[in-house]
Amino acid sequence: AAGVIQSPRHLIKEKRETATLKCYPIPRHDTVYWYQQGPGQDPQFLISFYEKMQSDKGSIPDRFSAQQFSDYHSELNMSSLELGDSALYFCASSLGSGRAGNTQYFGPGTRLTVL
Amino acid sequence: GDSVTQMEGPVTLSEEACLTINCTYTATGYPSLFWYVQYPGEGLQLLLKATKADDKGSNKGFEATYRKETTSFHLEKGSVQVSDSAVYFCALRENQAGTALIFGKGTTLSVSS
Repeated sequence: AAGVIQSPRHLIKEKRETATLKCYPIPRHDTVYWYQQGPGQDPQFLISFYEKMQSDKGSIPDRFSAQQFSDYHSELNMSSLELGDSALYFCASSLGSGRAGNTQYFGPGTRLTVL
Repeated sequence: GDSVTQMEGPVTLSEEACLTINCTYTATGYPSLFWYVQYPGEGLQLLLKATKADDKGSNKGFEATYRKETTSFHLEKGSVQVSDSAVYFCALRENQAGTALIFGKGTTLSVSS
């Protein structure tokens, strides 16, 4: 079965550079979530989109932005990168809303390293 | 706000031992509850879930029962294997569109042969 696809899988950037992470949800899934997982930490929610509209916002820094496109893929744009942004970034997708859409399937993650 | 508390690890067991990882939650509504597993160097995989009180989720020999009266969702397995070594995350989600998962801190399980 098709899974959530994230690209790139690994990314190395310098401080103050920008990065763009991409997420392709499972086909027919209409909701995308972004999470950040620091070393040895639990995943922290950043932002989500339902039917191309932002649906929930977590601890996403102002330096970051995201959007969901007409084909439901999503991109997380990160600017003025800081050392503390080094983490594993997960995208998850789900189908539907409310209780029906409550199972989130995670991608393999993008490991971002900021030097 | 909503939160999840799970027992701290690491948990170290011998093969075929019984496993219990405690998880309790606080929530304003009636959330769905999940256990996710993360193997070394990999992403999060859904292990099991329960969407309402008294539901039991099960998968690969793991079980957890949604206990509303004790606000708990403890993960259990009768006989662990070396391949079960991983980090286990308990999580909850309120049942609204686009609502995020709230995770516990994770429990590292290490099983030796």
